[in-house]
Amino acid sequence: GQQLNQSPQSMFIQEGEDVSMNCTSSSIFNTWLWYKQDPGEGPVLLIALYKAGELTSNGRLTAQFGITRKDSFLNISASIPSDVGIYFCAGQVHNNNDMRFGAGTRLTVKP
Amino acid sequence: AAGVIQSPRHLIKEKRETATLKCYPIPRHDTVYWYQQGPGQDPQFLISFYEKMQSDKGSIPDRFSAQQFSDYHSELNMSSLELGDSALYFCASSSPGAEQYFGPGTRLTVT
Repeated sequence: GQQLNQSPQSMFIQEGEDVSMNCTSSSIFNTWLWYKQDPGEGPVLLIALYKAGELTSNGRLTAQFGITRKDSFLNISASIPSDVGIYFCAGQVHNNNDMRFGAGTRLTVKP
Repeated sequence: AAGVIQSPRHLIKEKRETATLKCYPIPRHDTVYWYQQGPGQDPQFLISFYEKMQSDKGSIPDRFSAQQFSDYHSELNMSSLELGDSALYFCASSSPGAEQYFGPGTRLTVT
């Protein structure tokens, strides 16, 4: 099945710094999504991408759907303490509800 | 805005017992998905339903079954529970082909 490789595994940054994380796959996805999960809570959808090459922003978050449809990145600008959590990329193939997740990037923001 | 509702939020069962988890999707969402997330792991897709019919099957054990009812809520039935079934169980819902929104999860502990 499709495997998503998400990196980095963890990041420790200072408040105010920018963050970048990415996901790659050996398979093509038709939809890329980025979720944030706090401990013991459900993943919260941040950004959904539907077209190859699409660049979408949501406040301080920016994500892009790679041209090859095999990768995506998420950038967070001017990080704040509440950005702490685990960020997951997820890929989905049309007509297939089996959404695959990356292993997650654990973000720690130091005030 | 209304979100996905899951109940119970916490459940403690003994080995070999059965458990039933419930999921109430966002209004007008007709597709529900079930995921299992072990400690430090990413969510693993179990099964999904569209319009009360099973639409996709992932890594759901044979001891588990699920269904979607006429009001679109879904139940995950788990029998002969094992220690390894201890995990967070998430339900997500979506409109057909659209992004998935996750519920807060049920934490199942098998002792």
